[in-house]
Amino acid sequence: QVQLQESGPGLVKPSETLSLTCAVSGYSISSGYYWGWIRQPPGKGLEWIGSIYHSGSTYYNPSLKSRVTISVDTSKNQFSLKLSSVTAADTAVYYCARETTVGNWFDPWGQGTLVTVSS
Amino acid sequence: QSVLTQPPSASGTPGQRVTISCSGSSSNIGSNTVNWYQQLPGTAPKLLIYSNNQRPSGVPDRFSGSKSGTSASLAISGLQSEDEADYYCAAWDDSLNAVVFGGGTKLTVL
Repeated sequence: QVQLQESGPGLVKPSETLSLTCAVSGYSISSGYYWGWIRQPPGKGLEWIGSIYHSGSTYYNPSLKSRVTISVDTSKNQFSLKLSSVTAADTAVYYCARETTVGNWFDPWGQGTLVTVSS
Repeated sequence: QSVLTQPPSASGTPGQRVTISCSGSSSNIGSNTVNWYQQLPGTAPKLLIYSNNQRPSGVPDRFSGSKSGTSASLAISGLQSEDEADYYCAAWDDSLNAVVFGGGTKLTVL
């Protein structure tokens, strides 16, 4: 059974960099699939941030591309998200999920982690 | 404003059939498959329908999906109280080169 678990600071100051990690268990990232990040501001809808293949190939949401970096560490079976120059608008629950290479559906999802941007 | 358009709310009584629409364009729904997610209160989204009309293992056959042109629909038959949740459609957008989501529909079981 594939499981994903997000971790990282729950509070980030404005203008700083948000950093999260997603640990994968029950499946080797090196075996395939894309691995993605999706966020959800409080009381709002879902927004795809970006995804990475085990080879390191990435693709990002154009609206966030200038501030996003996603990386993978196959030795630790985890992948990470960095979002720079954060503002209050980046306050959200951040989810990681496995993404199919064809059809772009996400399954399963991590439980999510709330990141608040505030001084 | 979301690229895919969903009604903000829907409702039905137990046992009824409800449908939730998802409207897009030629660059997303019109040329790619649609996926649906269910988000129960306080939990992470869960894949409900993939590739327009396929159910993952464990999803009851009360849930079904369809697509026609640039629109898609999620139907829930035999509505149950535990179906009360937010539902999101999603698809790849060839113009934006991004996965796009609908704004979500909050389903209330009366």
